[in-house]
Amino acid sequence: SAVISQKPSRDICQRGTSLTIQCQVDSQVTMMFWYRQQPGQSLTLIATANQGSEATYESGFVIDKFPISRPNLTFSTLTVSNMSPEDSSIYLCSFLGQGVYEQYFGPGTRLTVT
Amino acid sequence: QKEVEQNSGPLSVPEGAIASLNCTYSDRGSQSFFWYRQYSGKSPELIMFIYSNGDKEDGRFTAQLNKASQYVSLLIRDSQPSDSATYLCAVNRPGGGNKLTFGTGTQLKVEL
Repeated sequence: SAVISQKPSRDICQRGTSLTIQCQVDSQVTMMFWYRQQPGQSLTLIATANQGSEATYESGFVIDKFPISRPNLTFSTLTVSNMSPEDSSIYLCSFLGQGVYEQYFGPGTRLTVT
Repeated sequence: QKEVEQNSGPLSVPEGAIASLNCTYSDRGSQSFFWYRQYSGKSPELIMFIYSNGDKEDGRFTAQLNKASQYVSLLIRDSQPSDSATYLCAVNRPGGGNKLTFGTGTQLKVEL
């Protein structure tokens, strides 16, 4: 099965700055997803990233705050902009597998905003 | 009512026992159901999926689906300390473009 990686694995950032998280899959995939998992909570979908089209954002998430790129079928980035301590979370990317709806997750990026 | 509900636990079982994890969902249009295991500090790992009513077995794991009752469960036989983790139930969103909705997870502790 495909291998998915994320960079950075963790970071500590100052409020007001931005961080770009990279997600790389070792084979071509149609759909990629970005999630947030706050401490002790479940996964919340931020957006769906399709190659060649704009990302589709879930209610409560906006492009200005979380711009996403999907330049090809193996790579995506999520930027967390103008960060505040409330953005401290684990950010996860996933891709849609060969089956129907199956998603496989990257190792995650642990972000702390001070 | 939450879209996907799970008891947060912790569920404690002795080593070698059967652990039973439960999940209910609200949308009758959902057709695909997934169980993910998440160790502390790690990302979710897909361990089982089920699409049809009934049981599906894979090694020590059995997923059970009852669409009429909107209920899906995961049984872990011969539980091991290494099974201690949080188990997330996920359900597809009807008309949601391959998206999943996750429950809040059940923490399982397998005790020696």
